[in-house]
Amino acid sequence: KNQVEQSPQSLIILEGKNCTLQCNYTVSPFSNLRWYKQDTGRGPVSLTIMTFSENTKSNGRYTATLDADTKQSSLHITASQLSDSASYICVVRGFSGGYNKLIFGAGTRLAVHP
Amino acid sequence: DAGITQSPRHKVTETGTPVTLRCHQTENHRYMYWYRQDPGHGLRLIHYSYGVKDTDKGEVSDGYSVSRSKTEDFLLTLESATSSQTSVYFCAISDTSGRRAPGELFFGEGSRLTVL
Repeated sequence: KNQVEQSPQSLIILEGKNCTLQCNYTVSPFSNLRWYKQDTGRGPVSLTIMTFSENTKSNGRYTATLDADTKQSSLHITASQLSDSASYICVVRGFSGGYNKLIFGAGTRLAVHP
Repeated sequence: DAGITQSPRHKVTETGTPVTLRCHQTENHRYMYWYRQDPGHGLRLIHYSYGVKDTDKGEVSDGYSVSRSKTEDFLLTLESATSSQTSVYFCAISDTSGRRAPGELFFGEGSRLTVL
């Protein structure tokens, strides 16, 4: 069964600290992997999209890594800010029976405290 | 921000009543999607549309129907709402299917539905 597992489920850090969120997937064959940020009460907003040939991609203080061999991705947040408090969702696109689909992880809820 | 408007944003209804959620886009994107988001679950696809009057089922389509009579509007209908359909519903749009290119997926702000 194609799955996307994220860890930790929730995380609390102090403002200014770094953190890393994990995403493991079993989706195969794999097309691309995305990270979304979802503020409370809002819709998800894309942070990065990575294809299987990309290892690292940055978007400001957000850096995503991908290891397609081990089927793992991470999202590293540098010098966290209060506005980083949100849920972060890992999404994998795969192919099944000629039909391509997005499989969403349940998300990691990050709280940044002053 | 992508021009996606969902309405209503909040709705409380009773079991057995019909409910229609509307998604309106101003981006002229071909593909439109309805997802539901529940605690502990990833977003799950209910139905999607790949053009006017062209729709198909997602993984959790039971109890839902959709219609798309215009490019800009995608309606999600619960014919007879049940408590298990209490959820936050998100509309999303894309200009590609994602088959040949990654395709960006833009989400609306969500519609919170409570079925009592």
